[in-house]
Amino acid sequence: EIVMTQSPATLSVSPGERATLSCRASQSVSSNLVWYQQKPGQAPRLLIYGASTRATGIPARFSGSASGTEFTLTISSLQSEDFAVYYCQQYNDWPYTFGQGTKLEIK
Amino acid sequence: EVQLVESGGGLVQPGGSLRLSCSASGFTFSSYWMSWVRQAPGKGLEWVANIKEDGSTIYFVDSVKGRFTISRDNAKNSLYLQMNSLRAEDTAVYYCARRGAAVDYWGQGTLVTVSS
Repeated sequence: EIVMTQSPATLSVSPGERATLSCRASQSVSSNLVWYQQKPGQAPRLLIYGASTRATGIPARFSGSASGTEFTLTISSLQSEDFAVYYCQQYNDWPYTFGQGTKLEIK
Repeated sequence: EVQLVESGGGLVQPGGSLRLSCSASGFTFSSYWMSWVRQAPGKGLEWVANIKEDGSTIYFVDSVKGRFTISRDNAKNSLYLQMNSLRAEDTAVYYCARRGAAVDYWGQGTLVTVSS
């Protein structure tokens, strides 16, 4: 099973600043990596698929990148609605696995 | 508008059974892999199972193999999860999800609580 490790567990950032979230895979997942956003009491929302392609309707301030087994989600200028938990997930090998999440909170 | 509506959750005793249903609308159900993903209270996400468009291919996470069954009825635009021999660790919100890999639409979830 591929283990996905996200860091940090909690990230405190001020509105308007940039946030950088990391996700590492225990082995190669190619570009088969997605990012989701989840707010309390809600289902997750797809942000990025294929490591770097924004899903439909996702603002351009969200971007994804990859380098080997290291993946990054960058939010360029945080808005109030961006404070949430973010999960990465690989879909290269079954079972598809998620990271443990990064909570993005207001500083 | 794509909609996924789960039902069938509730409180069940350890060792009991429950059947979850997901009613889909707003898209051609028979053209998509479908999945169940769960989230224990206050915890992260876990992919439970997925099923190919025609039901011919199914995958389960090891922790539910032999206990859970996934099925679909394309004529009724519905997805199902039959859960047997339930354990306390199966307690979670169960989400119905469109696609078998990168989920683009999620239901709101149904809570399953396994407790005596």
